[in-house]
Amino acid sequence: DIQVTQSPSSLSASVGDRVTITCRASQSISSYLHWYQQKPGKAPKLLIYAASNLQSGVPSRFSGSGSGTHFTLTIISLQPEDFATYYCQQSYSTPGTFGQGTKVEIK
Amino acid sequence: EVQLLESGGGLVQPGGSLRLSCAASGFTFSSYAMSWVRQAPGKGLEWVSGILVSGNTFYADSVKGRFTISRDNSKNTLYLQMNSLRAEDTAVFYCTKSPTQATVTAYYAYWGQGTLVTVSS
Repeated sequence: DIQVTQSPSSLSASVGDRVTITCRASQSISSYLHWYQQKPGKAPKLLIYAASNLQSGVPSRFSGSGSGTHFTLTIISLQPEDFATYYCQQSYSTPGTFGQGTKVEIK
Repeated sequence: EVQLLESGGGLVQPGGSLRLSCAASGFTFSSYAMSWVRQAPGKGLEWVSGILVSGNTFYADSVKGRFTISRDNSKNTLYLQMNSLRAEDTAVFYCTKSPTQATVTAYYAYWGQGTLVTVSS
């Protein structure tokens, strides 16, 4: 199975900050990398698909980049509703595997 | 509007069985691959099983031989039959829709609200 490793596992940030979360795959996965946001008690929400494509309805302050084994999710100007846990997921091969999550907390 | 509504979760003893259902609406169910993804309490996400339009099925190693995924296109419903349940199967189980018919391994834009399965004596 392809392993995907997120960093950091948690971070504290303030409203208005720029936040970057990294995901590394154990082998090249081209652009088969996706990002989700999850709030407590809710299902995950797709933010970015295929590394850099913004899902419909997702604010433009979210962006994704990368290919191969190194990917980033960036949130420019963090908003109060962005405090949540973020997951990356690879779909290059079955089983599609998720990162362990990054919890974004209020500083 | 795409809607996925899971049901069938509950408390079951170790070694027991449970069948989850996912009622789909708002899209042509028979034209899309579907999957189950679970999340243990306080933990991350784990893909469990998927089924193609063709009926081909796929499983995580952790559930292979114990879980069976199926679909009834006439009822727009996805199922997960879970046998020989273990404490480590305790999780919220989500039903998800693939963006195509061709693969269960994809990004998931649509998720149900989840159903909790608790395996405990």
